[in-house]
Amino acid sequence: SQKIEQNSEALNIQEGKTATLTCNYTNYSPAYLQWYRQDPGRGPVFLLLIRENEKEKRKERLKVTFDTTLKQSLFHITASQPADSATYLCALSISGGYNKLIFGAGTRLAVHP
Amino acid sequence: DGGITQSPKYLFRKEGQNVTLSCEQNLNHDAMYWYRQDPGQGLRLIYYSQIVNDFQKGDIAEGYSVSREKKESFPLTVTSAQKNPTAFYLCASAYMGQGVPDTQYFGPGTRLTVL
Repeated sequence: SQKIEQNSEALNIQEGKTATLTCNYTNYSPAYLQWYRQDPGRGPVFLLLIRENEKEKRKERLKVTFDTTLKQSLFHITASQPADSATYLCALSISGGYNKLIFGAGTRLAVHP
Repeated sequence: DGGITQSPKYLFRKEGQNVTLSCEQNLNHDAMYWYRQDPGQGLRLIYYSQIVNDFQKGDIAEGYSVSREKKESFPLTVTSAQKNPTAFYLCASAYMGQGVPDTQYFGPGTRLTVL
């Protein structure tokens, strides 16, 4: 069956450290993968997109990697801040058909001062 | 939340009642989506629309209905046939273009509670 998995346990880290979140998928061939941030009681906000032929993408303190062989994406936040505390969702875009995103359940990140 | 608005933010419904959730966007996006979010689960697609007067069922369309009479508006009706409607509902829109990734812009959400 097709699955997209993110660590359901919250990730707790100290301010200033690098946070690394994982997104694994099975039985999909995504054209690209997106990461979104969601704060409690609010809608997700787009952060980064990486295509299947790209290995790495950066934006300010954020970095995303995409390994289509391992079927895994890693999302890194360097020099983390308490304001980075939120739930982070990965979403696969499947090639073919209409523009459909398959979302993971998200991983909650808590950055402690 | 960009140019997408959802109303109301909180909604309470008695069992057996239909209720309509509003979604409006001023981003001039062709595609609009409705998702349902439950604790510990990913967003699940209810309905989507790529053009005015046309829409398709998503993965969990049973008990829901939509309309797309205007490009800017995509209301969702939760009918009494939906067995477990209490959830957080999210509306999204996206630009559609050949070879353009469908980054989605989300509204603030409506939390529906059935009493």
